[in-house]
Amino acid sequence: NAGVMQNPRHLVRRRGQEARLRCSPMKGHSHVYWYRQLPEEGLKFMVYLQKENIIDESGMPKERFSAEFPKEGPSILRIQQVVRGDSAAYFCASSPRGTRASGRAVLDEQYFGPGTRLTVT
Amino acid sequence: RKEVEQDPGPFNVPEGATVAFNCTYSNSASQSFFWYRQDCRKEPKLLMSVYSSGNEDGRFTAQLNRASQYISLLIRDSKLSDSATYLCVGGTGNQFYFGTGTSLTVIP
Repeated sequence: NAGVMQNPRHLVRRRGQEARLRCSPMKGHSHVYWYRQLPEEGLKFMVYLQKENIIDESGMPKERFSAEFPKEGPSILRIQQVVRGDSAAYFCASSPRGTRASGRAVLDEQYFGPGTRLTVT
Repeated sequence: RKEVEQDPGPFNVPEGATVAFNCTYSNSASQSFFWYRQDCRKEPKLLMSVYSSGNEDGRFTAQLNRASQYISLLIRDSKLSDSATYLCVGGTGNQFYFGTGTSLTVIP
């Protein structure tokens, strides 16, 4: 059973270009989460998606960032007009169920992909 | 105030030692807790979930103290391969909140 897959593993973009990061969840998982990790900082939640739906995008900047998880194909995190401050490791995680128990917000375990390291020059 | 806080360390311990990490969380509504480990420049890997009654997995024991709002991880008989950064996670709503990690180095 393949784990969470992300590509590319490394991405270099010049300021003003677009970055597209892809994530294929584990087989059988329909919940996808994107995180950003800056050097010496913790992982920061960005967005939570299910197939064709954005469930929670409260951690994602309002401008330049968007995410989707289409019915077919991987989830995509898109960053338009990248700036130097966007340089970071972007991790995707998936889980089989968003919550483990109905009626209570008990989150299911999340399994992480290897990440995409974005460098903006 | 951060949702989840942990001592960044570093903790340098000899092989075979027992080491404990604590982590505090600020949101009393948090229901889900986990420990992940992250090796340098790699993805976080799930170490264990943390249950209210406490749970053990081999050399690793996790505890949750709701009254004081902290979780702990105990590692017994440390191995060189335990060297990593340990991330504490609290879950509320749809979100995981990660601590910044505690660095552990096990010394031969």
